[in-house]
Amino acid sequence: DTAVSQTPKYLVTQMGNDKSIKCEQNLGHDTMYWYKQDSKKFLKIMFSYNNKELIINETVPNRFSPKSPDKAHLNLHINSLELGDSAVYFCASVRDSDTGELFFGEGSRLTVL
Amino acid sequence: GNSVTQMEGPVTLSEEAFLTINCTYTATGYPSLFWYVQYPGEGLQLLLKATKADDKGSNKGFEATYRKETTSFHLEKGSVQVSDSAVYFCALKKAAGNKLTFGGGTRVLVKP
Repeated sequence: DTAVSQTPKYLVTQMGNDKSIKCEQNLGHDTMYWYKQDSKKFLKIMFSYNNKELIINETVPNRFSPKSPDKAHLNLHINSLELGDSAVYFCASVRDSDTGELFFGEGSRLTVL
Repeated sequence: GNSVTQMEGPVTLSEEAFLTINCTYTATGYPSLFWYVQYPGEGLQLLLKATKADDKGSNKGFEATYRKETTSFHLEKGSVQVSDSAVYFCALKKAAGNKLTFGGGTRVLVKP
């Protein structure tokens, strides 16, 4: 069974569209994250939720809105997509934040044309 | 703020060669340090970690020692295999909070 699963794995869309990426973890973790990985593999944290509460919100455009309906799910909605949004988005979760051992999903590759 | 600096890749090696990937960090206090590995087409997974000065993390033949005096956490492996081809990320986490800060990643390519 996949521990952290993301859908879709691939997403190709036009500029200006709105899209969502979903993430689910079956590990019973309390904290979930969204990371963005650019074409040079640089990884940057976007958001973090703990038990459905937003705890990290880095400098991310308002077009990005995370939603956590319950502690096992963290979805990412993006409005008015731009070319620069093209990247691989990774969801991750952690059981005990003090250990630092994040479990990552396989990523969702977003291509904006 | 906290930051992690890694050597830029790609690093290309022959099988059985010695691998070193340099990592240095900037942080206040005593952060925990990590190496994550990303195999092609996959998410990141924890390779090893160290939580205090002079600790050595090890896994799958890889080692890294937490050096507070040089603020470094260099990754080493004595004899690499083709299957070690991946992108390696150094990361740190402060004692309080749950934010993991990653370095820029180093791509390693091992040729037969």
